[in-house]
Amino acid sequence: QITLKESGPTLVKPTQTLTLTCTFSGFSLTLSSSGDGVGWIRQPPGKALEWLALIYWDDDTRYRPSLKDRLTITKDTSKNQVVLTMTNMNPVDTATYYCIYSACPSCINQWGQGTLVSVSS
Amino acid sequence: EIVLTQSPATLSLSPGERATLSCRASQTLSSYLAWHQQKPGQAPRLLIYDASKRAAGVPSRFSGSGSGTDFTLTISSLEPEDFAVYYCQQRRDWRITFGQGTRLEIK
Repeated sequence: QITLKESGPTLVKPTQTLTLTCTFSGFSLTLSSSGDGVGWIRQPPGKALEWLALIYWDDDTRYRPSLKDRLTITKDTSKNQVVLTMTNMNPVDTATYYCIYSACPSCINQWGQGTLVSVSS
Repeated sequence: EIVLTQSPATLSLSPGERATLSCRASQTLSSYLAWHQQKPGQAPRLLIYDASKRAAGVPSRFSGSGSGTDFTLTISSLEPEDFAVYYCQQRRDWRITFGQGTRLEIK
């Protein structure tokens, strides 16, 4: 069974850097899970879903072009974790951030429960 | 970036009725389209992938069809738990995009 859980701050100040961690189980993001990936999607309150970033088992990374300069996604296979950092946070970045599991290129096969991050001074 | 346009924005139906939701892409997707269901206060859940394949545990009343640029999600007979927001999502382009969603509400 695949599970994913997001963790991180619920409140950040404008201009700060957000660091979110996705802890997963049921797969490994190593050679034994060839093709797998973990990514992040966000959803501002009352709005639609927006893909942010993906990292694959072979360290291939993909970023939303409009946010590429602010995002970094990394993995720690020893801890079964993926970390997303987003710099220069702004109130418009207030959203629920979801971690997702990808079993094929750009697939979304499983969602985490999500974590709400508010940006306010 | 591939733009997905969903219609209608809101669909009002009664339990037992048939629901038909549409998703149109700005470029051909082949069959690389998925549908996700989101209930209030919950994370989305994958329903359909590659246009017509049901994800594990999804009831058979949910079906997907289409290819190229026009896709449909059909719910054959609505159950009370089906009233939710539905999003289409493409993976034809590595820059994943979603439609704006269709809200299925109880009439």
